[in-house]
Amino acid sequence: GDSVTQMEGPVTLSEEAFLTINCTYTATGYPSLFWYVQYPGEGLQLLLKATKADDKGSNKGFEATYRKETTSFHLEKGSVQVSDSAVYFCALSSPLWGGSQGNLIFGKGTKLSVKP
Amino acid sequence: EAQVTQNPRYLITVTGKKLTVTCSQNMNHEYMSWYRQDPGLGLRQIYYSMNVEVTDKGDVPEGYKVSRKEKRNFPLILESPSPNQTSLYFCASSEQGAPYGYTFGSGTRLTVV
Repeated sequence: GDSVTQMEGPVTLSEEAFLTINCTYTATGYPSLFWYVQYPGEGLQLLLKATKADDKGSNKGFEATYRKETTSFHLEKGSVQVSDSAVYFCALSSPLWGGSQGNLIFGKGTKLSVKP
Repeated sequence: EAQVTQNPRYLITVTGKKLTVTCSQNMNHEYMSWYRQDPGLGLRQIYYSMNVEVTDKGDVPEGYKVSRKEKRNFPLILESPSPNQTSLYFCASSEQGAPYGYTFGSGTRLTVV
């Protein structure tokens, strides 16, 4: 079945460092891909998404490019801030015609801590 | 404000005592879903609903019930909770289904003793 694998954390960085969180997926067809962020004590918020190959999702300085050839959707940010400390989840959803249109499949999450 | 509202935020209960976690959305979304989040396992879908009176099982439906009598509400029912249902639960809604992304509630932390 469909699955998402993301790098295990925790990841600890200094402020202004470059961030990469790796995410790869297994799916049939062309899934939609997402990054969600969960701040301490809160629910998940959609950070960015991409719906087809070579699409780049971006938001709040974060970017991720849908790479069909490597089945990857790595999250990057050029200069992290303390306020970016959170848990980041990569997720996919199968296309509507493939069924399962109600389900997002999540990776296990990567905890990011940014130190001043 | 567009949002998904869950209640309660925290709940401690005893094994076997029926409970309901409520979920309501004010965005007129068609799709609603329940997830549980456990350490090291990420989020797993329990049930989802595509519209009023239409529900389907997710990946971990055992021990849970849902109903969708109104478009805005999607309660999660645990008829006989057990300690292995101790978890953080999230309700979510989507206008057109998961490929378009979900909006999540703030979560309900349930402890079953």
